[in-house]
Amino acid sequence: QVQLQESGPGLVKPSETLSLTCSVSGGSISSFNYYWAWIRQPPGKGLEWIGNIFYGRTTYYNPSLKSRITISVDTSKNHFSLRLSSVTAADTAVYYCARRAFGVVTLFDYWGQGTLVTVSS
Amino acid sequence: QSALTQPASVSGSPGQSITISCIATNNDVGSYNLVSWYQQHPGKAPKLMIYEGSKRPSGVSNRFSGSKSGNTASLTISGLQAEDEADYYCCSYSSSTTFVVFGGGTKLTVL
Repeated sequence: QVQLQESGPGLVKPSETLSLTCSVSGGSISSFNYYWAWIRQPPGKGLEWIGNIFYGRTTYYNPSLKSRITISVDTSKNHFSLRLSSVTAADTAVYYCARRAFGVVTLFDYWGQGTLVTVSS
Repeated sequence: QSALTQPASVSGSPGQSITISCIATNNDVGSYNLVSWYQQHPGKAPKLMIYEGSKRPSGVSNRFSGSKSGNTASLTISGLQAEDEADYYCCSYSSSTTFVVFGGGTKLTVL
């Protein structure tokens, strides 16, 4: 059974960089069958796709966030990470990591429990 | 602004059937059979219920079904149960906006 677990600071100051890690267990992040994704949800609002990474380092980012996002993968630790720079209050959200099927861009079959990140001074 | 429009809320009584629509503002739903549906209970992560328009992952009840007509995708839940009360999100590929886009979500209330 694949499990994903987000970790990182729950509070980030405005203009700073948000950094989160998603640890994957029960499966290899190096698999050719999956992408690894970040999705967020502001409190009381809907879901927003942030971006995906393939273990070979291919990335796809939400164009509205692209200038501030970096998603990377560490195969030795079987985890992948999100960095979002120059954060504002609008970046306050629950951040989820998820596994995405290789051939189906909208198929997110395993999700982490989510971690709330608040942007505040 | 989402490129996928869902009703804010729907409701039904136990045993009844309901349908949630997901209307694309462009032709992406009609052009690609990539719509998926997610169920989210309060405080929980979303759960995949339907993918590629009408396919159910293993373990998902056959009371859940998906369909598509033109630029509108739909999720139908038959034999409503109290445990179905949740938020539901559609998701589609969008070549013109953000690559992957979610609908605004629909709150299902089981009366």
